[in-house]
Amino acid sequence: KQEVTQIPAALSVPEGENLVLNCSFTDSAIYNLQWFRQDPGKGLTSLLLIQSSQREQTSGRLNASLDKSSGRSTLYIAASQPGDSATYLCAFSQGYGNNRLAFGKGNQVVVIP
Amino acid sequence: DAEITQSPRHKITETGRQVTLACHQTWNHNNMFWYRQDLGHGLRLIHYSYGVQDTNKGEVSDGYSVSRSNTEDLPLTLESAASSQTSVYFCASSVKNEGTEAFFGQGTRLTVV
Repeated sequence: KQEVTQIPAALSVPEGENLVLNCSFTDSAIYNLQWFRQDPGKGLTSLLLIQSSQREQTSGRLNASLDKSSGRSTLYIAASQPGDSATYLCAFSQGYGNNRLAFGKGNQVVVIP
Repeated sequence: DAEITQSPRHKITETGRQVTLACHQTWNHNNMFWYRQDLGHGLRLIHYSYGVQDTNKGEVSDGYSVSRSNTEDLPLTLESAASSQTSVYFCASSVKNEGTEAFFGQGTRLTVV
C-alpha cells in the first residue's frame, strides 16, 4: 500500500519568501503525481500534474519536481503572497488510467503579510 | 464550462437513516471517485467507477454503496448512517486510459447525530 507523507504539516512564512513543500512516498511504481490546493471549507483545486516519465512541471510561480528513485516530490512556490495561504496536498496515482489517488495529509501554509 | 457538482453542500441526518449524496459531472469522464476527508487521516477512497455499470470498493467502503447508471452521475449512499460517517465527502472524476488530472467537486459536509 502506498504511504504518502508530507512534511512539515504546517508552516508560516513572511510574504516574499520562497516556499518549499515536501512529499515522500514508499512505492516507486507510480504513474502520475498531482499537487492540489485546498482553501478552508472548499474543494481541491489541481495545481500541477507530473507524469511518471517527467521530472518536473511549472506553472507561473509554481514548480513541482518528481524523483522516483528517492521517493520524493517537491512543490516550490516562488515569492510567496498572502493569497498562497492554504493547505497543499500531494497525491499519487498507481495505475495507468485508473487515477485512484493516494493522498498525503497536507502542508498547511500561512503567508504572513 | 464543464464542471463537477455535489449536492447537498451540507446535510445533518440522524443515526440509522439512509442518506444519498449526489455527484454530477459534465466532462463525460469515465472515471469517477468518492473520497472522505477527516482530520488526521487525509483523503481516503470510498468507492470508484470506471464506467457505466462498473463499481469498485475502495479502502473505506464499509457502510457505503454506489451505482453508475450513466456517465454523468455517481451517487453515494450511506445505508444506515453512523456517527463515524460524519465527514466531508468529495467526488472526483478523470479521463480514462490517460492517467490525467483528477477534478474534484466542492464537497459535502455530512453530520450524523
